[in-house]
Amino acid sequence: EAQVTQNPRYLITVTGKKLTVTCSQNMNHEYMSWYRQDPGLGLRQIYYSMNVEVTDKGDVPEGYKVSRKEKRNFPLILESPSPNQTSLYFCASSLLGLAGAINEQFFGPGTRLTVL
Amino acid sequence: AQSVTQLGSHVSVSEGALVLLRCNYSSSVPPYLFWYVQYPNQGLQLLLKYTSAATLVKGINGFEAEFKKSETSFHLTKPSAHMSDAAEYFCAVSRGSSNTGKLIFGQGTTLQVKP
Repeated sequence: EAQVTQNPRYLITVTGKKLTVTCSQNMNHEYMSWYRQDPGLGLRQIYYSMNVEVTDKGDVPEGYKVSRKEKRNFPLILESPSPNQTSLYFCASSLLGLAGAINEQFFGPGTRLTVL
Repeated sequence: AQSVTQLGSHVSVSEGALVLLRCNYSSSVPPYLFWYVQYPNQGLQLLLKYTSAATLVKGINGFEAEFKKSETSFHLTKPSAHMSDAAEYFCAVSRGSSNTGKLIFGQGTTLQVKP
């Protein structure tokens, strides 16, 4: 089954304790991206990757890191989480279309993170 | 900068009534426009997309959207609302060239369907 998986689905942690949220897709998509969803703000892009070893900042990258060593995986790393990073996080992947535009994205189920 | 505006954070309709969710994008013509739906406690799934072919796009579950360049709009409609349509809806725009890789979402519109 074609899918994007994220782990963990729920995580409660404390300020400053490094964490990683994994994301994996089995559709051989070039493009992967991380978003955070907050009430009233919609989805905001954190980081994205156009292909292996190619990553770039989205609109809200502060406090996050990513890596893309393999095509299928795109982990999100919070080196020193803070309470303002409490949010619902989504990973997504897609093929690329015209002039590198992003085509239909497939979303993971989400990771609800609480930082105390 | 590319932007997307969804007019109305909450829309309430009666079952069987017309659904109209509004989306406007900034003036540069994007290669792709999307509507996604998010049901409670789930991820997003694609309803429909515009890719510069037909301006009237049909999606899943009876939804459709019309791309109007003169109005920079991509409003989502459904002739008759069903209770199962209650969800949050997001408009999004993707653009290549100088903005490659960025996908901009609107703030979302929550659709409530009353019996």
